[in-house]
Amino acid sequence: ELKVEQNPLFLSMQEGKNYTIYCNYSTTSDRLYWYRQDPGKSLESLFVLLSNGAVKQEGRLMASLDTKARLSTLHITAAVHDLSATYFCAVDNSNSGYALNFGKGTSLLVTP
Amino acid sequence: SAVISQKPSRDICQRGTSLTIQCQVDSQVTMMFWYRQQPGQSLTLIATANQGSEATYESGFVIDKFPISRPNLTFSTLTVSNMSPEDSSIYLCSVVGATPVYGYTFGSGTRLTVV
Repeated sequence: ELKVEQNPLFLSMQEGKNYTIYCNYSTTSDRLYWYRQDPGKSLESLFVLLSNGAVKQEGRLMASLDTKARLSTLHITAAVHDLSATYFCAVDNSNSGYALNFGKGTSLLVTP
Repeated sequence: SAVISQKPSRDICQRGTSLTIQCQVDSQVTMMFWYRQQPGQSLTLIATANQGSEATYESGFVIDKFPISRPNLTFSTLTVSNMSPEDSSIYLCSVVGATPVYGYTFGSGTRLTVV
């Protein structure tokens, strides 16, 4: 069974600080996806990581993928309040027709 | 990437009734999925909707409770049957591009409350 584990599940951080969210998974997939979800909203795609060593950056967020360690990180730099949301990592599962298996999500709150 | 129109966006239903959720995609897609997101939880795959054949259901989900139709490559419906308060969730459809490398797009979701 494919497992996707995120930590931390809850994160409260001050504006201007840096932090990293971790995503471990149990399959040998080379593809990992990060999504953002605001309360009451659907999922917004942040990053698609397609190979070992992939690194992508958008604004204050940077995601990386280490397929050998089966680990992805989402690094937040100089957090601002607008980043407050829930962040999910997901891995596609060939055993389910390439549907995504999601982590439990990290609920991020950025405070002044 | 594909654009998905999902309807209804929300509904409040009486227990014992059924609700059908629709997803319309602006382009032909091979793979379409239905997820459930219970309050405060992550997304759980209900089934993969296959065009021209029965949907493939995940463990814990059955066709009698969640019948799915996929009449063509741009449209699918999920019905939540004989609803109980435990079915109160957000239901989302999702599609993937020509291959997973193009990423997955999600519908806007249907927020269902069963009273």
